[in-house]
Amino acid sequence: QVQLVQSGAEVKKPGASVKVSCKASGYTFTNYGINWVRQAPGQGLEWMGWISGYNGNTNYAQNLQGRVTMTTDTSTSTAFMELRSLRSDDTAMYYCARANVYTPGGYWGQGTLVTVSS
Amino acid sequence: QSVLTQPPSVSAAPGQKVTISCSGSSSNIGNNYVFWYQKLPGTAPKLLIYDNNKRPSGIPDRFSGSKSGTSATLGITGLQTGDEADYYCGTWDGSLSAGVFGGGTKLTVL
Repeated sequence: QVQLVQSGAEVKKPGASVKVSCKASGYTFTNYGINWVRQAPGQGLEWMGWISGYNGNTNYAQNLQGRVTMTTDTSTSTAFMELRSLRSDDTAMYYCARANVYTPGGYWGQGTLVTVSS
Repeated sequence: QSVLTQPPSVSAAPGQKVTISCSGSSSNIGNNYVFWYQKLPGTAPKLLIYDNNKRPSGIPDRFSGSKSGTSATLGITGLQTGDEADYYCGTWDGSLSAGVFGGGTKLTVL
């Protein structure tokens, strides 16, 4: 069965970086992209970006350009999302989701809570 | 300010029907498939509808989706207390080259 398992919760100081992993299993990793979505406390879902599992091509949300990098390691079927220059408003639950073309589909990770606090 | 517009809240009694609208533009809903997600506190979003009106395996036919022009609608019939959740529409925006979500609609089953 398809599973996406994310890395554990992180606490970071403002200005630091965080790297969240998303290990996929149960399907051919290179056949699908991975979306990253976040939800800040009390806020709605925010699309962060998409990465191809085939060739690593990416699309990032405009408001995160320059601070976010998404990568994959096809040898371990793992996707990564790195966010730099963290601010307090980056505090959120971060999710990876297998893409239905470019949009999040039916398989999601369990979420990784990233807390940014001094 | 979300690219897709949803009502902040809707409510209905158990057993009744409710619809949630999602309004966009030609660059997103008008030319791309619409997806609907259910979000319960403390859990990952759950896909309810994909490709405008298709239900994944395991999603009951009480949930339905439709699209007309630059708007989409999620319908839920036979409301249950367990349907209380936040619902989000999502799609691709070709002008932004980005995924977009609506602001979410909180469903209350009275």
